[in-house]
Amino acid sequence: ETGVTQSPTHLIKTRGQQVTLRCSSQSGHNTVSWYQQALGQGPQFIFQYYREEENGRGNFPPRFSGLQFPNYSSELNVNALELDDSALYLCASSLYGTGNQETQYFGPGTRLLVL
Amino acid sequence: AQKITQTQPGMFVQEKEAVTLDCTYDTSDPSYGLFWYKQPSSGEMIFLIYQGSYDQQNATEGRYSLNFQKARKSANLVISASQLGDSAMYFCAMRPPISSGSARQLTFGSGTQLTVLP
Repeated sequence: ETGVTQSPTHLIKTRGQQVTLRCSSQSGHNTVSWYQQALGQGPQFIFQYYREEENGRGNFPPRFSGLQFPNYSSELNVNALELDDSALYLCASSLYGTGNQETQYFGPGTRLLVL
Repeated sequence: AQKITQTQPGMFVQEKEAVTLDCTYDTSDPSYGLFWYKQPSSGEMIFLIYQGSYDQQNATEGRYSLNFQKARKSANLVISASQLGDSAMYFCAMRPPISSGSARQLTFGSGTQLTVLP
């Protein structure tokens, strides 16, 4: 069984640029969620994708957008980067419809630094 | 809205001893899920244990057990026989009710940094 993978592992960008982060879900999973984790804090929910559509969104501006592909992999795009976007971005996959014990499994994350 | 509170920023425990990490939650939903994750310094969030709001028994997974007190809205993690490799950040998280078409977002607490001493 292949776990959740994310790329790249680290990224440095400058303010105003755009970035794309990628995630491959665990084999057999059909749902991908993205979280932002600032230093010293718990992860914050950005959005979730199921059946290639956004299935819920947290309190993040529209410059945070995403995609899910037919193979259930996903991308997170952030436009017009701001210094506060510097964080660890975590992707999690799960199998939608497995009932109350539906569990999200996380990838290793992408560390983004905005200068 | 759901809220998770972890009041212990840091905890120390001697190797081979047991330790309890506190978690309280707030929700108006009668149905919900509670999770604990471990985050080593590498960054990956590792799933440890799950407790459903309607589960009658406390969840256990190896050395991990969850002390679930529904009336007090607490879901404390107990780690027995601590090992040096248990040193990490631990997060309590809550998921809203499972319903068709709803997002399964997790709400996390601020975490507890556990250090196991040799």
